Amino acid sequence: GENVEQHPSTLSVQEGDSAVIKCTYSDSASNYFPWYKQELGKRPQLIIDIRSNVGEKKDQRIAVTLNKTAKHFSLHITETQPEDSAVYFCAASFSGGYNKLIFGAGTRLAVHP
Amino acid sequence: NAGVTQTPKFRVLKTGQSMTLLCAQDMNHEYMYWYRQDPGMGLRLIHYSVGEGTTAKGEVPDGYNVSRLKKQNFLLGLESAAPSQTSVYFCASSYEGGGNQPQHFGDGTRLSIL
Repeated sequence: GENVEQHPSTLSVQEGDSAVIKCTYSDSASNYFPWYKQELGKRPQLIIDIRSNVGEKKDQRIAVTLNKTAKHFSLHITETQPEDSAVYFCAASFSGGYNKLIFGAGTRLAVHP
Repeated sequence: NAGVTQTPKFRVLKTGQSMTLLCAQDMNHEYMYWYRQDPGMGLRLIHYSVGEGTTAKGEVPDGYNVSRLKKQNFLLGLESAAPSQTSVYFCASSYEGGGNQPQHFGDGTRLSIL
């Protein structure tokens, strides 16, 4: 069935290090992959997204890569800062009759000063 | 421009009570969604709407009903609340097919069922 798996569930890094979160999806027809950041008690906010016609997208310290053959995509955060601490969710679109997003279970990132 | 607004922000109900959660968006978006968020399970789609007067079931629709009488509003109803419906509920909207456009979220409603 439709599924998005996200790893790791928790990630702890030192300030200045890089962080990588990986997601795999099941529907080969998926063509849109957003990443959301959710701070404690706040709404999920889109931080970056990628469509299936590109393999990589960057926005300052954040980048996303997509491997359609392997059906996985990853979020890369470089030079992490304490304010990057949050829960990150990946999502993938599924076509099955209508377009919808299926979310991963989330990764709790802690950046230690 | 407020974006997506949810009311109320918090609510405590007793088992069997009913209530309605309101979502309003001022971005003229066609698509609207209701999710629930539980620890360790991400966001799960309850119901969605592709336009005024339309609704459809998502992944976890049981125990919920929705209505989209006006384009800017999407209501989520619990007819007989159960403890299993304790969760944080998020509303979202997008310009068109949610699979290809970003979804914009409200601040959430924290609902506890005793």
